Amino acid sequence: NAGVTQTPKFQVLKTGQSMTLQCAQDMNHEYMSWYRQDPGMGLRLIHYSVGAGITDQGEVPNGYNVSRSTTEDFPLRLLSAAPSQTSVYFCASSYSVSGELFFGEGSRLTVL
Amino acid sequence: DAKTTQPPSMDCAEGRAANLPCNHSTISGNEYVYWYRQIHSQGPQYIIHGLKNNETNEMASLIITEDRKSSTLILPHATLRDTAVYYCIVRSSKAAGNKLTFGGGTRVLVKP
Repeated sequence: NAGVTQTPKFQVLKTGQSMTLQCAQDMNHEYMSWYRQDPGMGLRLIHYSVGAGITDQGEVPNGYNVSRSTTEDFPLRLLSAAPSQTSVYFCASSYSVSGELFFGEGSRLTVL
Repeated sequence: DAKTTQPPSMDCAEGRAANLPCNHSTISGNEYVYWYRQIHSQGPQYIIHGLKNNETNEMASLIITEDRKSSTLILPHATLRDTAVYYCIVRSSKAAGNKLTFGGGTRVLVKP
C-alpha cells in the first residue's frame, strides 16, 4: 500500500512549456484534490474530484487542467507554464467527503 | 467554511505538553474542526478532528469549548519530531469534495 504517489518530485520548466504532474493512489479513495503551496504560505486548492469522471475548480484553478478517467489517477496539467506557477504541488485523497486527507510528498516545480 | 485564527508561532520544551490555540468564532453547527501538521516540506499530515465533543487519539487531544468558538490541540509530551507548522481548519460536513482551506498555521518549535 503506497498511499498517494506523486511524480515527478522535481521539475524545471521554461515559460510557455506544458507538462503533467502525475498523482496516483492505491487506497480506492473517491475524493482527490490538488493543492499548491507557495513559500511561507498555507496550501491553496487548485482542482478537486469527487469520483471518476467528475472534477471541479478550487480556489486557484487558472492555468491548470485536470481529468479523472480512473479512480486511482488524478493528473494535473499545466497548459503554458508561467513563473507565477513556481510552487510546490501536493496531491491528496480521502475515502469520504469529511474523512482524513492523505497527502503525497509533493512535486517542486520551477518555471524560468 | 469559517475562518480560523492561530498564533503565528510558539516554542515548547521537549517532554512538556504543547497547547495550540485556535479561534473559530464564526463556526456554524455543521462544521468540524480539523488539525493537520506539516513537517518541513513534507505533505500535511492529519492529526485529529472533532465536532463538539473532546477527542483523543494516539497523537493528540482536541479540546473544543462549549460554544465551539475556539479549540485547543494538545500534544501531551512534545518531542523534537513534533516541530512543524500546525494548521487548524474548519470544514462543513456538507462541503463538496474533500476541500480544506488552509490558513497560515502556527509554527511550533520544540526545544531540547
